[in-house]
Amino acid sequence: KAGVTQTPRYLIKTRGQQVTLSCSPISGHRSVSWYQQTPGQGLQFLFEYFSETQRNKGNFPGRFSGRQFSNSRSEMNVSTLELGDSALYLCASSSGLAGGPAGELFFGEGSRLTVL
Amino acid sequence: AQKVTQAQTEISVVEKEDVTLDCVYETRDTTYYLFWYKQPPSGELVFLIRRNSFDEQNEISGRYSWNFQKSTSSFNFTITASQVVDSAVYFCALGSGYSTLTFGKGTMLLVSP
Repeated sequence: KAGVTQTPRYLIKTRGQQVTLSCSPISGHRSVSWYQQTPGQGLQFLFEYFSETQRNKGNFPGRFSGRQFSNSRSEMNVSTLELGDSALYLCASSSGLAGGPAGELFFGEGSRLTVL
Repeated sequence: AQKVTQAQTEISVVEKEDVTLDCVYETRDTTYYLFWYKQPPSGELVFLIRRNSFDEQNEISGRYSWNFQKSTSSFNFTITASQVVDSAVYFCALGSGYSTLTFGKGTMLLVSP
């Protein structure tokens, strides 16, 4: 079955701009999580969506937002970009059964954002 | 708060050597899950194993084995007879609910021929 698809794979923006990243989960998966990966901070959880509802949120400023559509596809948006937002943004999907245990996450290849 | 520590930033070995990647975790939850992921240069994180807190049985899968010790809060990963294709960054992660994981900083493994 098709894996997690993230678009775009690479993008360059300038400070102050905004960016939208897209993630298509594995068919049948209802949970989509977003992680930011930087050399300094490593992998950090941004937020998780399940059935169009944000179920959990990491410790990031309000400039980082997301949403999930009825087909489980998700987008994340970063407004007023800063140099420190340069990172690999990884999307992960899972079955995300409500109330269930942390399950295996299937990751996409990520969207590499460079902010100049 | 949950925390995962991978003290080894980078490990270099020669092919066919055995190598152990260390992982120490902290959590106040009684039910939790531990994971190992592999990240090759392409960037995609590849799932290797999941272990729940009630199952301390060690596991072996081919050249990979995992040693879970609750008493020392450790979940170490051993690759036997390493190969060049094992070169990657390996992440240990901890989760206690839904799909939110706390990752360690990762260990870069370099296997040279």
